[in-house]
Amino acid sequence: EIVLTQSPDTLSLSPGERATLSCRASQSLSSSYLAWYQQKPGQAPRLLIYGASSRATGIPDRFTGSGSGTAFTLTITRLEPEDFAVYFCQQCGSSPLTFGGGTKVEI
Amino acid sequence: EVQLLESGGNLVQPGGSLRLSCAASGFTFSSYAMSWVRQAPGKGLDWVSGISAGVPNTYYADSVKGRFTISRDNSKNTVDLQMNSLRADDTAIYYCAKGSETSGRRGYFDSWGQGTLVTVSS
Repeated sequence: EIVLTQSPDTLSLSPGERATLSCRASQSLSSSYLAWYQQKPGQAPRLLIYGASSRATGIPDRFTGSGSGTAFTLTITRLEPEDFAVYFCQQCGSSPLTFGGGTKVEI
Repeated sequence: EVQLLESGGNLVQPGGSLRLSCAASGFTFSSYAMSWVRQAPGKGLDWVSGISAGVPNTYYADSVKGRFTISRDNSKNTVDLQMNSLRADDTAIYYCAKGSETSGRRGYFDSWGQGTLVTVSS
């Protein structure tokens, strides 16, 4: 099983600041199989990034995914009030599909 | 617009059974894998099971293997999760999710339902 470790657990920032979220895998991933999701309280997760760096439909360009191998990053430039949420990474290349523990971006 | 609507969540006693269902619309259901993902209260996301498009190969997390069964009906655009021998640690919101590929053991989830709550407690 591929284990994903996200850091930090919580990121305390202000609107307009830059957020950098890390996701590390226990073994090398094909970049095609790393995704990021956003989840707000009481809502289902929403796909943000797939293939490590491709934005999903309707996702603004302030969200950027990067990385390869075992180290991946989600960057949110200029945080908007609606960006404060929990973010999860997922490896989707081999069963069992696994998620990281999440990073909460809070004000 | 893709829509996924889960149903069947309920309060059930330990050792009991429950069947969840997900009704899909807005896409060619038979062409995509489907999965169930759960989230315990205040916790992270946990993939439970996936089923491929076409030939319905099935895949399970170790924690549910032998207790849960996933199935799909491409004529009705539904995917079900039969849950037996339920335990307290199965308590969670269960989400139905559309896969990005035909294989149920690969791919990201580009659409999610709103979830259905399963509570296992005496």
